[in-house]
Amino acid sequence: GDSVTQMEGPVTLSEEAFLTINCTYTATGYPSLFWYVQYPGEGLQLLLKATKADDKGSNKGFEATYRKETTSFHLEKGSVQVSDSAVYFCALRGGSQGNLIFGKGTKLSVKP
Amino acid sequence: DTAVSQTPKYLVTQMGNDKSIKCEQNLGHDTMYWYKQDSKKFLKIMFSYNNKELIINETVPNRFSPKSPDKAHLNLHINSLELGDSAVYFCASRYRENSPLHFGNGTRLTVT
Repeated sequence: GDSVTQMEGPVTLSEEAFLTINCTYTATGYPSLFWYVQYPGEGLQLLLKATKADDKGSNKGFEATYRKETTSFHLEKGSVQVSDSAVYFCALRGGSQGNLIFGKGTKLSVKP
Repeated sequence: DTAVSQTPKYLVTQMGNDKSIKCEQNLGHDTMYWYKQDSKKFLKIMFSYNNKELIINETVPNRFSPKSPDKAHLNLHINSLELGDSAVYFCASRYRENSPLHFGNGTRLTVT
């Protein structure tokens, strides 16, 4: 079945460092891909998405490009801030019901 | 104004009890969901429901049952609570198939 694999955390960075969180997927067809962010004590929020190959989703300085050839959707940010500390989930919309399938989440901690 | 609201935020109860978690969305969305997030942050879909059908993840014990009095509400009832039920439960909704999910802030259930 469809699945999402993302790098295990936690990831600890200093402020202004470059961030990459890897995400790869397995799916039939061409699913839509998403990154969600969960701040402490809150629910998940959509960060960005891409619906077809070579699309680049971007928001709040974060970017991810839908790479069909490598079945990847890596999240990147050029300069992280303390306020970016959260858990990040890669997800795809797949399956017969079109439900979201989440990766296991990657916790990011940014130190000042 | 919270778009997807869950109550209670925290729920501590003993094994064997029956409890309910309420969820309401004021977004006019057609489909609502319940997710379970374990201590390692792994998210698993439990149910999806719209006014046409209820779809149950086959791995969810039948002690869990969703009840929807109307389109804006999807409550989660849990019978005979077990220690392993301790987790954070998230309600979510979406407008239609390609729309993003909107999550509530979660209910932390602790079974002692």
